[in-house]
Amino acid sequence: AQTVTQSQPEMSVQEAETVTLSCTYDTSESDYYLFWYKQPPSRQMILVIRQEAYKQQNATENRFSVNFQKAAKSFSLKISDSQLGDAAMYFCAYHEGGSEKLVFGKGTKLTVNP
Amino acid sequence: DTGVSQNPRHKITKRGQNVTFRCDPISEHNRLYWYRQTLGQGPEFLTYFQNEAQLEKSRLLSDRFSAERPKGSFSTLEIQRTEQGDSAMYLCASSWQGGSGANVLTFGAGSRLTVL
Repeated sequence: AQTVTQSQPEMSVQEAETVTLSCTYDTSESDYYLFWYKQPPSRQMILVIRQEAYKQQNATENRFSVNFQKAAKSFSLKISDSQLGDAAMYFCAYHEGGSEKLVFGKGTKLTVNP
Repeated sequence: DTGVSQNPRHKITKRGQNVTFRCDPISEHNRLYWYRQTLGQGPEFLTYFQNEAQLEKSRLLSDRFSAERPKGSFSTLEIQRTEQGDSAMYLCASSWQGGSGANVLTFGAGSRLTVL
């Protein structure tokens, strides 16, 4: 079964600085999708960024970018110019081929210090 | 478009009681998903519907759990004879899938279940 590992239960960053959240996954498939979702306290989960495994180019969405290393099965999220509103739980997720299931990691709690 | 709506937001019940959660997806979305999230964990897939058809169910969905999506609109998740281990946040999500590839889910705020 596919697994997603987020090795950093908690991270903190100073406002305006850059932080990188780690994610590794295990799969034998070659075609899949990876996601980062953000879950602010007591609010719904929202999509931050998505990466198709067949694309070599790393996805970017404004201040958010990923470092996708397919051979290493690594999918890290970089947040640049961190803002107070970035404070949340961040979940890495893998879309299982042939299924509609998303497999989530345990999450990383990001604190942004003013 | 008011997003994905879930009710009730919080339910406290005694062990052995039945509970039902409702999810109203984004109206244009044809797919609807249920996930369960326990404290300190990421969401775990329970089941999903395409229109009114339930196409996939997780092994986590025991016989005490049943989900429906009549007429392909709102969905209900019923838990019978609740156990303390059922205490969790139940998340609903919806998406529009018109072709191949992984679609993007829009999540609701969740329904938190506490079983005493």
